Amino acid sequence: DGGITQSPKYLFRKEGQNVTLSCEQNLNHDAMYWYRQDPGQGLRLIYYSQIVNDFQKGDIAEGYSVSREKKESFPLTVTSAQKNPTAFYLCASSDGLAGPAVDTQYFGPGTRLTVL
Amino acid sequence: AQTVTQSQPEMSVQEAETVTLSCTYDTSESDYYLFWYKQPPSRQMILVIRQEAYKQQNATENRFSVNFQKAAKSFSLKISDSQLGDAAMYFCAYGRNYQLIWGAGTKLIIKP
Repeated sequence: DGGITQSPKYLFRKEGQNVTLSCEQNLNHDAMYWYRQDPGQGLRLIYYSQIVNDFQKGDIAEGYSVSREKKESFPLTVTSAQKNPTAFYLCASSDGLAGPAVDTQYFGPGTRLTVL
Repeated sequence: AQTVTQSQPEMSVQEAETVTLSCTYDTSESDYYLFWYKQPPSRQMILVIRQEAYKQQNATENRFSVNFQKAAKSFSLKISDSQLGDAAMYFCAYGRNYQLIWGAGTKLIIKP
């Protein structure tokens, strides 16, 4: 079945540690996205990538980093510089033909990150 | 600044009845896309319906339809014959500047 997988489902981090959230898709999509979801708020874009080896910052990129070495994979690293990382993180992909403001995005099941 | 507003944090509806979720947005563009996504308890976001502002005809997907009022910048979602599986958070989103801007969501409760 085609889809997007995220791992782990739950992640616990101690203060001062970097952690990496995995996102893999087998939809053959060019574009991939990372969002942060906090209670009572809409999704906020962290980073997006429209093509391999290229990515752009979203509205809340500070304290996060990404890489896009393969079309299928778009891992997100939450660094110790992120002051309030406890949140739900969603990865998405789209075929990238028309752009992020137009394409339908397909989402993974998410990762819940908690800082201890 | 928030540019997508969902004024109803929570709505409830009796099973088999119709419910309308509201969404307003702010834009100076003439052509853009609007989306409704559903996030069930599993938390995996699923597209419900997508509308291009240039098209005057309201989008429809089975029991889901929109009332798109471009001049009023309103994009409400109507769910007919509500089912228990419709219980979820519903998010409205507007496409702007190479990204989606999301509303805060409406929690829909279905009463059996």
